[in-house]
This record gives sequence, structure tokens and C-alpha cells, in this order.
Amino acid sequence: NAGVTQTPKFQVLKTGQSMTLQCAQDMNHEYMSWYRQDPGMGLRLIHYSVGAGITDQGEVPNGYNVSRSTTEDFPLRLLSAAPSQTSVYFCASSYSTGQASSYNSPLHFGNGTRLTVT
Amino acid sequence: KNQVEQSPQSLIILEGKNCTLQCNYTVSPFSNLRWYKQDTGRGPVSLTIMTFSENTKSNGRYTATLDADTKQSSLHITASQLSDSASYICVWGGGNKLTFGTGTQLKVEL
Repeated sequence: NAGVTQTPKFQVLKTGQSMTLQCAQDMNHEYMSWYRQDPGMGLRLIHYSVGAGITDQGEVPNGYNVSRSTTEDFPLRLLSAAPSQTSVYFCASSYSTGQASSYNSPLHFGNGTRLTVT
Repeated sequence: KNQVEQSPQSLIILEGKNCTLQCNYTVSPFSNLRWYKQDTGRGPVSLTIMTFSENTKSNGRYTATLDADTKQSSLHITASQLSDSASYICVWGGGNKLTFGTGTQLKVEL
């Protein structure tokens, strides 16, 4: 029962570097999403996908790119890291894609990637 | 201002005691109300999801209640255990429209 797997667990980048945070799920979930968690703030949505080949922006998308070539994988790319992107990043997935049917589906979260940008 | 506010910010209780965590939301119209548990260094785990037609929902020793008129929800933990030490997050919404509270940090001590 792997669920949602995120790699790496920890990462330190220098300003301007790029990297990709990996996320994979083995539950055949259509909906996948990326959140960031900062001290004193609730989780905020970066990007989400309702199925392979379909992605959309969330609340805080600037500086991040995503793609969804398969149902299982949803990588998050930082194009040019900035200190403001220091955060804990969570990938999450759920069963349904349609707005109405997904409303009652719980999100399954990975255990996060702690990113520090110096 | 966060549209989902939780109280208290932190709480310490003795093992075996009960406690109640509060959540007030100002977003509308009502969608659904969720509670998650987040252990230190881990991702959140879903405890309950309540729709507008439900005013109480249990998951083992966890019982969530909802008053849609006053826009308040509570999470009651019965007979607390050391493993209940975690952050408890209240979430309004569904699909990609979720608003997260900042959580209540609960510590259960011997």
C-alpha cells in the first residue's frame, strides 16, 4: 500500500537553480494536486490535474510548472528557485474528477518534500 | 483574513482525557467540511468529511459536528492517546476548491 510517494524528502537549492519534485500514486486516482505548506498559513494549492494531459493553475502557481503524461505521475518543476519558495510541498490525489462527484472524495497526501532555497 | 479559523492554536491534555477543537468558517455557500490529522513530518490524513445534510460524523474516537447555521464545526476526541499528538486541520470545500485552516496543535502527555 504505497499510496502517494514523494521524492526527495529534503532538498536544498541555491537561488536560480531548477529542480523537479516527483510525485507518484498507485491508487489509479484521476485527480492529483500540489500544495505548499508555510508556517502560520493553511495549505495552498499550486497546480492540479483532473486526468492525464490536463492541468490547471491553483492559488499560487507562479514559479512552478507541472505536466501529467500518465495517470500515476505528477511532477512539479521549479524553474528558477527563489528564497520565497522555501516551504514544505505536498502532493495529493483523490478518486474523482468531476466537480460534483469529487466534492466528497478525501484527498490522499504524500509525506512531503521539505525544500530550502538559499 | 483566513476564511477558515481554528481554535485553540495549541492545546496540551493528559492521556485519557477528552478534548474539543473548534473551527469557524466564513466561506459560503456551504460545500463540505473536512477534518484532517497531520503527524509531525507527515502528510495530512483524512478523518471525516461532512456534507451539508450531515451534522455529525464519527471515525473511531473522533467525532466531528457541524452547525451550518452558525458556520461552526468541532472535532471531539474521546479518551485521548499519546498517538493523538498531531496538528488537526479543518478544511472547507471540495474538488480543487479547498480552503485550509492553519490547524490546532494538540499534544497529549502522560
